Amino acid sequence: EAQVTQNPRYLITVTGKKLTVTCSQNMNHEYMSWYRQDPGLGLRQIYYSMNVEVTDKGDVPEGYKVSRKEKRNFPLILESPSPNQTSLYFCASRERGRYGYTFGSGTRLTVV
Amino acid sequence: QQQVKQSPQSLIVQKGGISIINCAYENTAFDYFPWYQQFPGKGPALLIAIRPDVSEKKEGRFTISFNKSAKQFSLHIMDSQPGDSATYFCAASIQGGSEKLVFGKGTKLTVNP
Repeated sequence: EAQVTQNPRYLITVTGKKLTVTCSQNMNHEYMSWYRQDPGLGLRQIYYSMNVEVTDKGDVPEGYKVSRKEKRNFPLILESPSPNQTSLYFCASRERGRYGYTFGSGTRLTVV
Repeated sequence: QQQVKQSPQSLIVQKGGISIINCAYENTAFDYFPWYQQFPGKGPALLIAIRPDVSEKKEGRFTISFNKSAKQFSLHIMDSQPGDSATYFCAASIQGGSEKLVFGKGTKLTVNP
């Protein structure tokens, strides 16, 4: 089944403890992106990648890092999480030449 | 700075009625305008999209109307059904050279039976 897989689905962590949210797609898509969703704010883009080793900032990149060493994987790294990063995170991918993104099921992160 | 403004925040419609969600944008460089539908506990899914050289696009019960001069676009759901109850997001992007995609804040649609 063609899909974007995020792990974990739920995560509770403490302030300052480094964490990684993994994202993998099995559709050979070139483009991948991370979003956070907060009540009343909609979806905001954190980082995106247009190909392996090509990444760029979205609208809210502060406090996050990403890497794209392989085409299928696009992990989101929080080096020192803070409570204001408590949110619902979505990874998404799309194919070159097609304009709609396929989203994962989300990762609900709580930082205490 | 919010680049795409969406209204209303919530909408209640009776079964069989027409649901209308409006969006306005500021950046005239945007050239792709998708709508996403999100059910609780799921990621958003592409519903329908339009480019600014077209004034209207229809797919089944869903229609996008686009007004380039007013920098506005809207989603119309005809014959709304309870299964359409979801949160709808409009978005805008600039294709080619960037993957920046800006979303509206969303509209929670409830269709009563």
